[in-house]
Formats: sequence, C-alpha cells, structure tokens
Amino acid sequence: KAGVTQTPRYLIKTRGQQVTLSCSPISGHRSVSWYQQTPGQGLQFLFEYFSETQRNKGNFPGRFSGRQFSNSRSEMNVSTLELGDSALYLCASRRGERSYEQYFGPGTRLTVT
Amino acid sequence: GNSVTQMEGPVTLSEEAFLTINCTYTATGYPSLFWYVQYPGEGLQLLLKATKADDKGSNKGFEATYRKETTSFHLEKGSVQVSDSAVYFCALRPAAGGTSYGKLTFGQGTILTVHP
Repeated sequence: KAGVTQTPRYLIKTRGQQVTLSCSPISGHRSVSWYQQTPGQGLQFLFEYFSETQRNKGNFPGRFSGRQFSNSRSEMNVSTLELGDSALYLCASRRGERSYEQYFGPGTRLTVT
Repeated sequence: GNSVTQMEGPVTLSEEAFLTINCTYTATGYPSLFWYVQYPGEGLQLLLKATKADDKGSNKGFEATYRKETTSFHLEKGSVQVSDSAVYFCALRPAAGGTSYGKLTFGQGTILTVHP
C-alpha cells in the first residue's frame, strides 16, 4: 500500500511569491493534517481537513490556507512568502475521524530567499 | 492549552546502553500520548502509543507507560543500536469529545546518537 506522498519534495521561492504544496493521503484515508517543522519552533500544527471540511486551524496567519478535494488529496497555499516561512512542511493522513494513528509523508522542504 | 516538554538533547550513547528520554505533558482530561521517530531526510514514523492511563505502549524494544499521576510518558529501551540514531518526538492528542483528533501537539524533539 502506498504511503503518504508529497510534492514537490524541494522548493525554492523568493520573498513575496506564493507557493502551493500537494499531499496525497494513503488510499482510503479521509483526514489530512498539515504541520510546519522549523529548528526554532519545532513541529507546529497548521490545519486539518476531513471530508473536504477544515476541522481545525493552528495559530498561523491568514497567508496560510488549505483545501481538500473529493478524492481526499489536499493542498496548502502560502501567499506573500516571508523568509521565516522556510521550513519542512509535513502532511499526515488518518483513516477516519477518530483514528489514532497519523501517517506522515516525507515532507516538502521550502526555502524562501 | 496543551503542551509537551521533552528532555533536552542531544543524547549520545554507546551501543547496548540503556535509553531514557523524558516526556511530560500538560492537558485537560485524558489525552492520547505518542512517540514518533524521524530519521534523517524522512517524515515522522509512529513508534508507539498509549490511549489511557497506565497503558504501556511498546514497539521494536521501545516502551513507554502513560502515567496520569505524574503526567509523564517517558521512552525507554534496554539496549540501543546504532540504527536507533534519530530524532524522537513525544506528542499528545486531546481527550476524546472534541474536534481536535487530527491535531497533535509535539515536544521539541530529542536527538539520539548511538556510537558503535
């Protein structure tokens, strides 16, 4: 069974640009969560989607947004990039709303210059 | 709000040494507790979990017991291997009844290096 896939794996963008990251969950999983990982702040929750609805949002500015499609694939978008947005962005999927295990993808490494 | 505190690293051990990584948490009710491991260049892998007080999670020789009285979930392994070198994260999921099942709160991570 294929795991969680994230594309692209690496990305370099310039300050002020916008970026879209993609996540394909494990087949049959309906929940997708996004996390930002930085050396300074560690792992921080961005948002969670279940059946195309945002269920939870972390403490990030409105420049960070996301969505989920009917096939459970998810995208997150960051507009007006800042240097501090450089991070590893991790996506995780769960089978159902109450499932305990989250399965993480390898992440997208975003560098903002 | 919820929070997780892990012992500061890095932790350096010789092969076959005993490992303990401390983890304490702050949360209301009875959250679920997890240990995740991250190898270089990879995402996080679930190592073990405990969903109620006094539960013991175990996997690949690692163990952790959910202690409600001390709000702790310390990770232990009796004999570490070089291949255990990685970053270990303690995490919690809020108690049942809310809408935050997909929101994990992580500790800051502990880097473990095991030498031959």
